[in-house]
Amino acid sequence: GQNIDQPTEMTATEGAIVQINCTYQTSGFNGLFWYQQHAGEAPTFLSYNVLDGLEEKGRFSSFLSRSKGYSYLLLKELQMKDSASYLCAGPKAAGNKLTFGGGTRVLVKP
Amino acid sequence: DVKVTQSSRYLVKRTGEKVFLECVQDMDHENMFWYRQDPGLGLRLIYFSYDVKMKEKGDIPEGYSVSREKKERFSLILESASTNQTSMYLCASRPRRGSYEQYFGPGTRLTVT
Repeated sequence: GQNIDQPTEMTATEGAIVQINCTYQTSGFNGLFWYQQHAGEAPTFLSYNVLDGLEEKGRFSSFLSRSKGYSYLLLKELQMKDSASYLCAGPKAAGNKLTFGGGTRVLVKP
Repeated sequence: DVKVTQSSRYLVKRTGEKVFLECVQDMDHENMFWYRQDPGLGLRLIYFSYDVKMKEKGDIPEGYSVSREKKERFSLILESASTNQTSMYLCASRPRRGSYEQYFGPGTRLTVT
């Protein structure tokens, strides 16, 4: 089974805020990635947290708590183009393998 | 810009056929990866390669093999395609050192009938 868990789907309104949670087993991962994937396209990098705390990048922020095995991606001022799947992934200490969660499909409604 | 390309966006094959999926990256990355992506299961690692002629099994290698004869090219081979191999196949690459970030190709949607 998956070592990384995230909700399957979320719906939010344009202009609102959505928080996507990701939980994982605390051992073995060296930080956490977030990727965005639009339907039919390749995943693209959003963020990588290796230390605890919040990192902000424009409308997107990502948070990590290594002791709790918990991360979230915060999307502010939602736009229609933010409708996509959001994947969290943990790299093993050696860095060669990424373990992905099942992805969260976010639907932004007008 | 890093570019990872895959030979086909869509492919339809018959059960029992031998299938080759090709991936090429232009950034001189040592590490290359093959994943499959299925609804509800996310991306699962099939094989990866950390240098030319080097390969290592991922989490679901059964029914697949790979080839890395040149640094820029990583091929995924389905020796005898089966219907349960119908999926989206994604290739990725990253440099040996530095960020763990992987760069993905556009994917190949394979249907086995």
